[in-house]
Amino acid sequence: DQQVKQNSPSLSVQEGRISILNCDYTNSMFDYFLWYKKYPAEGPTFLISISSIKDKNEDGRFTVFLNKSAKHLSLHIVPSQPGDSAVYFCAALAGTASKLTFGTGTRLQVTL
Amino acid sequence: DGGITQSPKYLFRKEGQNVTLSCEQNLNHDAMYWYRQDPGQGLRLIYYSQIVNDFQKGDIAEGYSVSREKKESFPLTVTSAQKNPTAFYLCASSPHAIAGNTEAFFGQGTRLTVV
Repeated sequence: DQQVKQNSPSLSVQEGRISILNCDYTNSMFDYFLWYKKYPAEGPTFLISISSIKDKNEDGRFTVFLNKSAKHLSLHIVPSQPGDSAVYFCAALAGTASKLTFGTGTRLQVTL
Repeated sequence: DGGITQSPKYLFRKEGQNVTLSCEQNLNHDAMYWYRQDPGQGLRLIYYSQIVNDFQKGDIAEGYSVSREKKESFPLTVTSAQKNPTAFYLCASSPHAIAGNTEAFFGQGTRLTVV
């Protein structure tokens, strides 16, 4: 029962263009969402988050959009850079629960 | 400087043996977590602890055990009862139980291989 889904296992984008990573969830109790970036053989690092009371949060080149009615969120990276090549995980929290529920990840490859 | 440290980075274990993975943090975080990552799957929660001397099972706790005797340390033991122990194990901590604007900080991971 995958409550957080990232349906695209991989994505390839040219340097300078926009990268859009998508995430869908099924649990309507989720009210806080996070994106993590992970390089091979390293731990994930926090990237950006959004509360369900917002529909957009921006931090530099990274913007997360939340569509609660569609239970969908997306991470936009613009402009994409080669150093952005990594696996991106979407994660969700419900209320005061302590457990982060992660998606399966999307591998982003930014090409020159 | 503060951080969360996992050791060792690579670990080999013979089938049928127990093995303990170390996780230490000097961030003064209350909460600590153990996740497992397998190819094609998201991070799955094994155990978590919100406070010293207390811990709860996550989604895949079978075959694992933990202890939280000190705030800084949250070791994970992979027992012989774990059927598929070969995986990448990640430890994380957060200032308190994850809620609101608090995100978890992750260690560098331990890759366990059963031979």
